[in-house]
Amino acid sequence: DVKVTQSSRYLVKRTGEKVFLECVQDMDHENMFWYRQDPGLGLRLIYFSYDVKMKEKGDIPEGYSVSREKKERFSLILESASTNQTSMYLCASSHAIVEQYFGPGTRLTVT
Amino acid sequence: AQSVTQLDSQVPVFEEAPVELRCNYSSSVSVYLFWYVQYPNQGLQLLLKYLSGSTLVESINGFEAEFNKSQTSFHLRKPSVHISDTAEYFCAVTSSNTGKLIFGQGTTLQVKP
Repeated sequence: DVKVTQSSRYLVKRTGEKVFLECVQDMDHENMFWYRQDPGLGLRLIYFSYDVKMKEKGDIPEGYSVSREKKERFSLILESASTNQTSMYLCASSHAIVEQYFGPGTRLTVT
Repeated sequence: AQSVTQLDSQVPVFEEAPVELRCNYSSSVSVYLFWYVQYPNQGLQLLLKYLSGSTLVESINGFEAEFNKSQTSFHLRKPSVHISDTAEYFCAVTSSNTGKLIFGQGTTLQVKP
Protein backbone atom coordinates (compact mmCIF):
# COMPACT_ATOMS: atom_id res chain seq x y z
CA ASP A 1 0.00 0.00 0.00
CA VAL A 2 1.20 3.48 -0.87
CA LYS A 3 2.57 5.36 2.10
CA VAL A 4 3.79 8.90 2.70
CA THR A 5 4.78 9.77 6.25
CA GLN A 6 5.56 13.10 7.85
CA SER A 7 7.75 13.43 10.91
CA SER A 8 5.28 15.29 13.12
CA ARG A 9 1.51 15.80 13.20
CA TYR A 10 1.72 18.89 15.38
CA LEU A 11 4.63 21.26 15.94
CA VAL A 12 4.96 24.47 17.95
CA LYS A 13 7.97 26.71 17.32
CA ARG A 14 9.05 30.20 18.29
CA THR A 15 9.61 33.08 15.91
CA GLY A 16 13.13 33.00 14.49
CA GLU A 17 13.70 29.28 15.04
CA LYS A 18 14.94 27.05 12.25
CA VAL A 19 12.32 24.40 11.51
CA PHE A 20 12.71 21.10 9.69
CA LEU A 21 9.72 19.18 8.32
CA GLU A 22 10.53 15.70 7.09
CA CYS A 23 8.67 13.60 4.55
CA VAL A 24 9.37 9.99 3.60
CA GLN A 25 7.71 7.87 0.91
CA ASP A 26 8.09 4.15 0.39
CA MET A 27 6.87 3.89 -3.20
CA ASP A 28 10.10 4.67 -5.06
CA HIS A 29 8.44 7.76 -6.53
CA GLU A 30 10.69 10.20 -8.34
CA ASN A 31 8.50 13.26 -7.71
CA MET A 32 7.92 14.86 -4.32
CA PHE A 33 6.06 18.02 -3.35
CA TRP A 34 5.53 20.36 -0.39
CA TYR A 35 2.29 22.32 -0.04
CA ARG A 36 0.83 24.57 2.58
CA GLN A 37 -2.90 24.55 3.24
CA ASP A 38 -4.73 27.59 4.58
CA PRO A 39 -8.50 28.07 5.00
CA GLY A 40 -10.10 29.58 1.91
CA LEU A 41 -6.88 29.32 -0.11
CA GLY A 42 -6.75 25.60 -0.81
CA LEU A 43 -3.31 24.07 -1.26
CA ARG A 44 -0.43 26.11 -2.56
CA LEU A 45 2.79 24.58 -3.87
CA ILE A 46 5.96 25.64 -2.04
CA TYR A 47 8.65 23.49 -3.68
CA PHE A 48 8.87 20.28 -5.64
CA SER A 49 11.54 17.85 -6.74
CA TYR A 50 11.73 15.57 -9.75
CA ASP A 51 14.88 13.78 -8.73
CA VAL A 52 17.50 13.45 -6.02
CA LYS A 53 19.36 16.72 -5.38
CA MET A 54 17.00 18.50 -7.74
CA LYS A 55 14.47 21.14 -6.66
CA GLU A 56 12.20 23.67 -8.27
CA LYS A 57 10.29 26.58 -6.79
CA GLY A 58 6.56 26.40 -6.61
CA ASP A 59 4.15 29.29 -6.27
CA ILE A 60 5.12 30.48 -2.77
CA PRO A 61 8.80 29.59 -2.09
CA GLU A 62 9.71 32.73 -0.14
CA GLY A 63 10.92 31.93 3.36
CA TYR A 64 11.38 28.22 2.63
CA SER A 65 14.08 25.92 1.32
CA VAL A 66 14.17 22.19 0.64
CA SER A 67 16.59 19.30 0.59
CA ARG A 68 16.45 15.98 -1.21
CA GLU A 69 19.55 13.91 -0.58
CA LYS A 70 17.82 10.55 -0.99
CA LYS A 71 15.02 9.52 -3.31
CA GLU A 72 12.62 8.62 -0.51
CA ARG A 73 13.10 11.72 1.65
CA PHE A 74 12.16 15.35 1.01
CA SER A 75 12.72 17.95 3.70
CA LEU A 76 11.18 21.40 4.03
CA ILE A 77 13.20 23.98 5.93
CA LEU A 78 12.00 27.23 7.44
CA GLU A 79 15.26 29.13 7.95
CA SER A 80 13.76 31.64 10.40
CA ALA A 81 10.17 30.84 11.28
CA SER A 82 7.65 33.66 11.31
CA THR A 83 4.06 33.82 12.53
CA ASN A 84 2.74 34.03 8.97
CA GLN A 85 4.15 30.55 8.38
CA THR A 86 1.65 29.09 10.84
CA SER A 87 -0.20 26.62 8.63
CA MET A 88 -0.86 22.99 7.71
CA TYR A 89 1.99 21.54 5.65
CA LEU A 90 1.32 18.62 3.34
CA CYS A 91 3.85 16.46 1.56
CA ALA A 92 3.02 14.41 -1.54
CA SER A 93 4.76 12.07 -3.92
CA SER A 94 4.02 10.75 -7.39
CA HIS A 95 5.29 8.58 -10.18
CA ALA A 96 5.34 10.30 -13.55
CA ILE A 97 3.25 13.47 -13.70
CA VAL A 98 -0.18 12.50 -12.54
CA GLU A 99 -1.74 11.14 -9.36
CA GLN A 100 -0.15 12.41 -6.15
CA TYR A 101 -0.22 10.59 -2.81
CA PHE A 102 -0.37 12.71 0.31
CA GLY A 103 0.95 12.40 3.83
CA PRO A 104 -1.22 13.14 6.89
CA GLY A 105 0.07 16.69 7.26
CA THR A 106 1.97 18.68 9.90
CA ARG A 107 0.14 21.47 11.67
CA LEU A 108 2.80 24.05 12.47
CA THR A 109 2.17 26.89 14.91
CA VAL A 110 4.75 29.67 15.16
CA THR A 111 4.41 31.85 18.26
CA ALA B 1 -1.56 29.96 -16.59
CA GLN B 2 -3.86 27.34 -15.18
CA SER B 3 -6.39 28.02 -12.45
CA VAL B 4 -9.20 26.20 -10.66
CA THR B 5 -12.32 27.73 -9.16
CA GLN B 6 -14.60 25.91 -6.76
CA LEU B 7 -17.74 27.95 -6.75
CA ASP B 8 -19.02 27.03 -3.29
CA SER B 9 -16.97 27.23 -0.10
CA GLN B 10 -19.59 25.34 1.92
CA VAL B 11 -22.41 23.03 0.88
CA PRO B 12 -24.84 21.93 3.60
CA VAL B 13 -27.12 19.04 2.67
CA PHE B 14 -29.35 16.55 4.44
CA GLU B 15 -28.50 12.88 4.54
CA GLU B 16 -29.74 10.88 1.52
CA ALA B 17 -30.16 14.04 -0.58
CA PRO B 18 -28.26 14.51 -3.85
CA VAL B 19 -25.30 16.87 -3.99
CA GLU B 20 -23.19 18.64 -6.63
CA LEU B 21 -19.86 20.30 -5.91
CA ARG B 22 -18.87 22.62 -8.70
CA CYS B 23 -15.43 23.02 -10.23
CA ASN B 24 -14.34 25.13 -13.19
CA TYR B 25 -10.84 25.36 -14.57
CA SER B 26 -8.93 27.42 -17.08
CA SER B 27 -6.09 26.11 -19.17
CA SER B 28 -4.76 26.62 -22.68
CA VAL B 29 -3.46 23.06 -22.93
CA SER B 30 -4.82 19.57 -22.41
CA VAL B 31 -5.44 18.79 -18.76
CA TYR B 32 -5.83 15.98 -16.29
CA LEU B 33 -8.46 16.57 -13.61
CA PHE B 34 -8.79 15.26 -10.08
CA TRP B 35 -11.05 15.37 -7.05
CA TYR B 36 -9.41 14.82 -3.68
CA VAL B 37 -11.18 14.41 -0.32
CA GLN B 38 -9.84 15.41 3.08
CA TYR B 39 -11.51 13.99 6.16
CA PRO B 40 -10.98 15.84 9.48
CA ASN B 41 -7.38 15.72 10.70
CA GLN B 42 -6.20 13.69 7.74
CA GLY B 43 -4.25 14.23 4.54
CA LEU B 44 -5.80 14.28 1.08
CA GLN B 45 -7.02 11.11 -0.61
CA LEU B 46 -7.70 10.75 -4.30
CA LEU B 47 -11.43 10.37 -4.94
CA LEU B 48 -11.44 10.13 -8.74
CA LYS B 49 -9.55 11.32 -11.78
CA TYR B 50 -9.99 12.08 -15.45
CA LEU B 51 -7.00 11.36 -17.64
CA SER B 52 -8.54 10.49 -21.00
CA GLY B 53 -11.32 8.42 -22.56
CA SER B 54 -14.82 8.43 -21.09
CA THR B 55 -15.74 11.85 -19.78
CA LEU B 56 -17.74 10.34 -16.91
CA VAL B 57 -15.60 8.92 -14.12
CA GLU B 58 -16.74 7.20 -10.94
CA SER B 59 -15.36 6.48 -7.49
CA ILE B 60 -15.85 3.34 -5.44
CA ASN B 61 -18.06 5.13 -2.89
CA GLY B 62 -20.72 6.43 -5.28
CA PHE B 63 -19.31 9.78 -6.39
CA GLU B 64 -19.03 10.64 -10.07
CA ALA B 65 -17.67 13.57 -12.06
CA GLU B 66 -18.06 14.57 -15.68
CA PHE B 67 -15.39 16.31 -17.70
CA ASN B 68 -17.02 18.97 -19.86
CA LYS B 69 -14.42 20.48 -22.17
CA SER B 70 -16.69 23.10 -23.72
CA GLN B 71 -17.70 24.44 -20.32
CA THR B 72 -14.27 23.77 -18.76
CA SER B 73 -15.95 22.08 -15.81
CA PHE B 74 -15.47 18.96 -13.73
CA HIS B 75 -18.39 18.93 -11.28
CA LEU B 76 -18.62 16.25 -8.61
CA ARG B 77 -21.98 14.60 -7.91
CA LYS B 78 -23.48 11.98 -5.65
CA PRO B 79 -27.15 10.94 -5.86
CA SER B 80 -27.51 10.19 -2.13
CA VAL B 81 -25.03 11.36 0.52
CA HIS B 82 -24.19 9.81 3.89
CA ILE B 83 -23.07 11.39 7.12
CA SER B 84 -19.66 9.86 6.49
CA ASP B 85 -19.26 11.98 3.34
CA THR B 86 -18.78 15.06 5.51
CA ALA B 87 -15.34 16.33 4.51
CA GLU B 88 -13.52 18.95 2.48
CA TYR B 89 -13.30 18.33 -1.24
CA PHE B 90 -10.63 19.74 -3.52
CA CYS B 91 -10.67 19.94 -7.29
CA ALA B 92 -7.25 19.97 -8.98
CA VAL B 93 -5.83 20.23 -12.48
CA THR B 94 -2.49 19.47 -14.06
CA SER B 95 -1.30 19.63 -17.62
CA SER B 96 0.80 17.13 -19.47
CA ASN B 97 3.49 19.80 -19.75
CA THR B 98 4.14 20.57 -16.10
CA GLY B 99 2.85 17.82 -13.82
CA LYS B 100 2.23 20.41 -11.13
CA LEU B 101 -1.18 20.19 -9.46
CA ILE B 102 -3.19 23.41 -9.20
CA PHE B 103 -5.85 23.19 -6.51
CA GLY B 104 -9.12 24.98 -6.03
CA GLN B 105 -9.97 26.64 -2.75
CA GLY B 106 -11.90 23.65 -1.45
CA THR B 107 -15.57 22.97 -0.69
CA THR B 108 -16.71 21.81 2.71
CA LEU B 109 -19.55 19.30 2.42
CA GLN B 110 -21.64 19.21 5.60
CA VAL B 111 -24.09 16.31 5.69
CA LYS B 112 -26.81 16.74 8.30
CA PRO B 113 -28.95 13.94 9.76
